[in-house]
Amino acid sequence: AQSVTQLDSQVPVFEEAPVELRCNYSSSVSVYLFWYVQYPNQGLQLLLKYLSGSTLVKGINGFEAEFNKSQTSFHLRKPSVHISDTAEYFCAVSEKTSYDKVIFGPGTSLSVIP
Amino acid sequence: SQTIHQWPATLVQPVGSPLSLECTVEGTSNPNLYWYRQAAGRGLQLLFYSVGIGQISSEVPQNLSASRPQDRQFILSSKKLLLSDSGFYLCAWSFLRGEANFGPGTRLLVL
Repeated sequence: AQSVTQLDSQVPVFEEAPVELRCNYSSSVSVYLFWYVQYPNQGLQLLLKYLSGSTLVKGINGFEAEFNKSQTSFHLRKPSVHISDTAEYFCAVSEKTSYDKVIFGPGTSLSVIP
Repeated sequence: SQTIHQWPATLVQPVGSPLSLECTVEGTSNPNLYWYRQAAGRGLQLLFYSVGIGQISSEVPQNLSASRPQDRQFILSSKKLLLSDSGFYLCAWSFLRGEANFGPGTRLLVL
């Protein structure tokens, strides 16, 4: 069964600084990978997804992520963060062979400091 | 386009009372449906998922149950709520590539 690890539970960063949120997954088969964002008191919104092809994926709000199969990672990056990026970020995985479950990591709370 | 509805948005219930949360999806057929719970300060826990009418898979043993009486309807229930059932409940649907699309959520407080 697949699983997702997000090692950083909280990441504080100054406004306009770059940020990387780490995600590692475990699966015995090929996977689809996702990053979601949750703003305070709201549901989850898809940021970006990796299905196949180019390992560098660009999403909304200037975020991008790179799939590294050998390291089973899918780290999220943004070159310059804004106050409005303060939110909870979740990495998720779905196995290609049986796309009946989407498993989420524990989340990383990003706090952008003015 | 597809939309997903959840109600109620907020619910306060006493310990020992029953629970019924409903989720409906519009604009798609035979979606995979999910119930997740998000406890305060914690991540998303998959509770149940369904790949078709009457087909329910439970991820964790608990005080809750789920049913799918119609293709686009997913219900989360409990006969007797516990304090530990408090949390933010999210319904989601996916189709094919596993991308989950979330509803607005129900915030449940058990007192």
